[in-house]
Amino acid sequence: EAQVTQNPRYLITVTGKKLTVTCSQNMNHEYMSWYRQDPGLGLRQIYYSMNVEVTDKGDVPEGYKVSRKEKRNFPLILESPSPNQTSLYFCASSSVSMSSYNEQFFGPGTRLTVL
Amino acid sequence: AQSVTQLGSHVSVSEGALVLLRCNYSSSVPPYLFWYVQYPNQGLQLLLKYTTGATLVKGINGFEAEFKKSETSFHLTKPSAHMSDAAEYFCAVSDGGSYIPTFGRGTSLIVHP
Repeated sequence: EAQVTQNPRYLITVTGKKLTVTCSQNMNHEYMSWYRQDPGLGLRQIYYSMNVEVTDKGDVPEGYKVSRKEKRNFPLILESPSPNQTSLYFCASSSVSMSSYNEQFFGPGTRLTVL
Repeated sequence: AQSVTQLGSHVSVSEGALVLLRCNYSSSVPPYLFWYVQYPNQGLQLLLKYTTGATLVKGINGFEAEFKKSETSFHLTKPSAHMSDAAEYFCAVSDGGSYIPTFGRGTSLIVHP
């Protein structure tokens, strides 16, 4: 089954404790991205990657890191989480072929609470 | 640059009533337009998309949307709302030249019995 998986689905942590949220897709997509969803603000892009070893900042990259060492994986790293990073996070992927029309496939989300 | 505006953060309808969710976009080139739906505690999934050709597109669960170039709109409709349609709906645009879609802020559809 074609899918994007994220782990963990729920996470409660404390300020300053490094964490990683994993994202993996099995569709051989080149493009992957991370979003955060907050009430009233919709989806805001954190980072994206056009292919292996190619990453770029989205609209709200401060406090986050990413890496793309393998095509299928795109982990999101919070080196020193703060309470304002409490949010719902989504990973998404898409093919960059013209026929895909940039349709995004989303993971189920990770709800992060930073105390 | 591309942008998306969804009018109304919340839309409330009665079961059986018409659903109309509004989306206006700006794009410097012919756009690809999408509606995604997010059911409670789930990720977003594609509802329908416009790429080229017929301007009225049909999606899952009885939803459809019409691309109106002159109005730069891509409103989502459903003739008769069902309780199971209660969800968050996102309009998105990409212009083909960029692989980075732009999402609207979302509209929460509330369906009353």
